[in-house]
Amino acid sequence: AQSVAQPEDQVNVAEGNPLTVKCTYSVSGNPYLFWYVQYPNRGLQFLLKYITGDNLVKGSYGFEAEFNKSQTSFHLKKPSALVSDSALYFCAVRDKSGGSYIPTFGRGTSLIVHP
Amino acid sequence: KAGVTQTPRYLIKTRGQQVTLSCSPISGHRSVSWYQQTPGQGLQFLFEYFSETQRNKGNFPGRFSGRQFSNSRSEMNVSTLELGDSALYLCASSLYHQSATNEKLFFGSGTQLSVL
Repeated sequence: AQSVAQPEDQVNVAEGNPLTVKCTYSVSGNPYLFWYVQYPNRGLQFLLKYITGDNLVKGSYGFEAEFNKSQTSFHLKKPSALVSDSALYFCAVRDKSGGSYIPTFGRGTSLIVHP
Repeated sequence: KAGVTQTPRYLIKTRGQQVTLSCSPISGHRSVSWYQQTPGQGLQFLFEYFSETQRNKGNFPGRFSGRQFSNSRSEMNVSTLELGDSALYLCASSLYHQSATNEKLFFGSGTQLSVL
């Protein structure tokens, strides 16, 4: 079985400060990992994904995520937060080696960036 | 290229009624997946259709059903609505079915269903 946890329901950060949104996962084999963002009254938009290779993945809007196999984590980061980054962020995992090929999503983390 | 289109945007129904939601994927995309989003549960997978065939189904009761047409458009039906069915229903499309690829999903803006 595969699962993903986003331990924080909400993250607050001041504009200009670095931000981190946490994600940990569990799969039987090796993971595909994704981050999506949802703005109010919108569907989810893809930010980035980890498939293989470099542990640091760069994505849209200046976001990046670091894959850490030993800690089974895939935290989303940005060096300098913008007010416009305020949104709901979802981490998703899928097991590469089969099983359920449908990605499992976390419950989401609300990011609030204060001016 | 137009994105994923879901209609209607909002729906208000009463318990016991049935509802049909529609999703038009991005042109050329053949896979359509449906998700239920609620504040407490996050995104829960309902089912995936590819080339008019249901490829996988999530853990939802039989009141939830779907289908896909030859033009890849998909509909989702919920019969005998319950209060707990109130949620945002999201549709996502991709070129191929999800077992064949690790590609990203393209989501529509969703249909907000309220059951009174």
